[in-house]
Amino acid sequence: AQKVTQAQTEISVVEKEDVTLDCVYETRDTTYYLFWYKQPPSGELVFLIRRNSFDEQNEISGRYSWNFQKSTSSFNFTITASQVVDSAVYFCALNDYKLSFGAGTTVTVRA
Amino acid sequence: NAGVTQTPKFQVLKTGQSMTLQCAQDMNHEYMSWYRQDPGMGLRLIHYSVGAGITDQGEVPNGYNVSRSTTEDFPLRLLSAAPSQTSVYFCASSSKGQGAGYEQYFGPGTRLTVT
Repeated sequence: AQKVTQAQTEISVVEKEDVTLDCVYETRDTTYYLFWYKQPPSGELVFLIRRNSFDEQNEISGRYSWNFQKSTSSFNFTITASQVVDSAVYFCALNDYKLSFGAGTTVTVRA
Repeated sequence: NAGVTQTPKFQVLKTGQSMTLQCAQDMNHEYMSWYRQDPGMGLRLIHYSVGAGITDQGEVPNGYNVSRSTTEDFPLRLLSAAPSQTSVYFCASSSKGQGAGYEQYFGPGTRLTVT
């Protein structure tokens, strides 16, 4: 069974539009960690954010924000006022006893 | 610090050949792992190690061997390459083991093609 589901395979927007990436996870553990990683066209994987299961406080960092809702097992990610440099594949990941990645969402931001 | 390094960056193998993908980290991390990335499937864990001399299987271990003789190095061996092993391989390390909230530091990846 898939532990991390990213429902959107691809999202295409015009620059300055907001983009929200959905992530739903599945775990029986009460202690776990959630992550978002970015993979730009150059191919490297870049860590963006980490959240633990006891911290449901949402966070804003510049143009990025995250919405963690334990009740719905969701950890969504929003890019506000998107830019061309935001074009990348974004991965949601869950670490309970093992790190599991979602399939990724390809975001294309057009000028 | 160089972080996590991987060699080679690209490799083409014929079916049945063997090879070793190298991975090294200079951050004194205990935990190291290998993932493969295939289109539409995210990253899948192949093998991992929680310290020198300790390794275990991940989600897709068949056809791969690992060993961890030092903290720094974690090579991945393909014993008899198959076309199904065509993929991009990432090595990663972190300062704590599984279940912990430490982010993984990824290497640049090795693109392997098996013909």
